[in-house]
Amino acid sequence: KNEVEQSPQNLTAQEGEFITINCSYSVGISALHWLQQHPGGGIVSLFMLSSGKKKHGRLIATINIQEKHSSLHITASHPRDSAVYICAVLEETSGSRLTFGEGTQLTVNP
Amino acid sequence: GAGVSQSPRYKVTKRGQDVALRCDPISGHVSLYWYRQALGQGPEFLTYFNYEAQQDKSGLPNDRFSAERPEGSISTLTIQRTEQRDSAMYRCASSPTRAYAGELFFGEGSRLTVL
Repeated sequence: KNEVEQSPQNLTAQEGEFITINCSYSVGISALHWLQQHPGGGIVSLFMLSSGKKKHGRLIATINIQEKHSSLHITASHPRDSAVYICAVLEETSGSRLTFGEGTQLTVNP
Repeated sequence: GAGVSQSPRYKVTKRGQDVALRCDPISGHVSLYWYRQALGQGPEFLTYFNYEAQQDKSGLPNDRFSAERPEGSISTLTIQRTEQRDSAMYRCASSPTRAYAGELFFGEGSRLTVL
């Protein structure tokens, strides 16, 4: 079993739909990152969370430390949101090791 | 430079050859990380530097892999006696703070193909 699991693995939506991507982890963490990987391969950091909720534009990230679960939401989705979204956790015990999920491939159709 | 720069962008080598991959982080960034990513998979942690100190190398798969950051800036990941299973995208990321306390900035990666 992977320490970080994302669901769904693949997601197809119509433009304008509300998107939710989930991340569950099994280890104690000190922080969680949501990353976006573009079709060309570049990776961009979206959020770093240690508690609560963060919002940036149409993106919202939440984390529940007790339940070891985080969600990434996209409101009013757009074709340009099509990318792979990766959840990564900083393990509490290691202090520096970041463990990644396998990613969620999102396709938003016009 | 404005972002994290990696070179070469593409490297094709024959099995058994040594390769060196370079990462030039954002100026002033304290932390530097190396990852690798096989096709269709998420990134896999390799090693972490805080300035010039290699504080975590637990992700290096075996002793053919080594990394250095002698002056706390540019880093080199070296793979000796390459094998086909080493083929992957090797990514570097830097952060202005220590150990993931802040935002990560990723380079475009170096795609290694071992024939």
